[in-house]
Amino acid sequence: KQEVTQIPAALSVPEGENLVLNCSFTDSAIYNLQWFRQDPGKGLTSLLLIQSSQREQTSGRLNASLDKSSGRSTLYIAASQPGDSATYLCAVRTGGFKTIFGAGTRLFVKA
Amino acid sequence: DGGITQSPKYLFRKEGQNVTLSCEQNLNHDAMYWYRQDPGQGLRLIYYSQIVNDFQKGDIAEGYSVSREKKESFPLTVTSAQKNPTAFYLCASGTGEDYGYTFGSGTRLTVV
Repeated sequence: KQEVTQIPAALSVPEGENLVLNCSFTDSAIYNLQWFRQDPGKGLTSLLLIQSSQREQTSGRLNASLDKSSGRSTLYIAASQPGDSATYLCAVRTGGFKTIFGAGTRLFVKA
Repeated sequence: DGGITQSPKYLFRKEGQNVTLSCEQNLNHDAMYWYRQDPGQGLRLIYYSQIVNDFQKGDIAEGYSVSREKKESFPLTVTSAQKNPTAFYLCASGTGEDYGYTFGSGTRLTVV
C-alpha cells in the first residue's frame, strides 16, 4: 500500500532564504508526482507535475526533483518571500486513477 | 477561462439532513473526484468517476452518494448516515494517468 510522508509538518524561515520541502513515498511504481500549494480555506493550486520518466521540473523560483528508486521528491524554493507562506502538498499518482496525498508542510516565511 | 467551480463556499447542515455539494468543470476532463480534508490529515478520496454514468467508491464512501449524469457535473450528497461530516470538501478533475489534477476552491461543511 502506497504511503506518502511529508517532513517537516511545519517550517518557519526568514525572507530570502532558500529552502527544501521533502516528500517520500513507499512504492516506486508511480505514474507521476504533483506538488500543490494550498492557502488557508482555499483549494489546491498545482505547482509542478513530474512524470515518472523525468528527474525534475522547474517553474520560476520553484524546482521539483524526483528520485523513484529512493522514493523521494524535493521541492526547492529559491529566495523565499512572505507570499510563499502556505501549505505545500505532494501527491503520488499510482495506477487505476488512484492518487495518494501527503499531509503537507506548512510554510511560514517571515518578513 | 477553464476551471472547476464548487458551490456553495460554506454550507451548514442540521442533524439528520441531507445536503448536496455542487461541482462543475469546463475543462473537458473525463475523470472527476471528491476528496475530504480534515485538519492535519492528507486528502482522502470519497468517490471518483472516470466517465459519465459510472462512478466508484473511494476510501471513505460510507455516508456519501454521487451522480455523474453529465461530463461537466459531479455533485456530492452528504447523507444523514455520515456521522461526522464537518470537513472541507474538494472536487478535482483530470484526464489520463499522465496528467495531473485541477482542483476547485472547496466547500466547507459544518454541522449545526
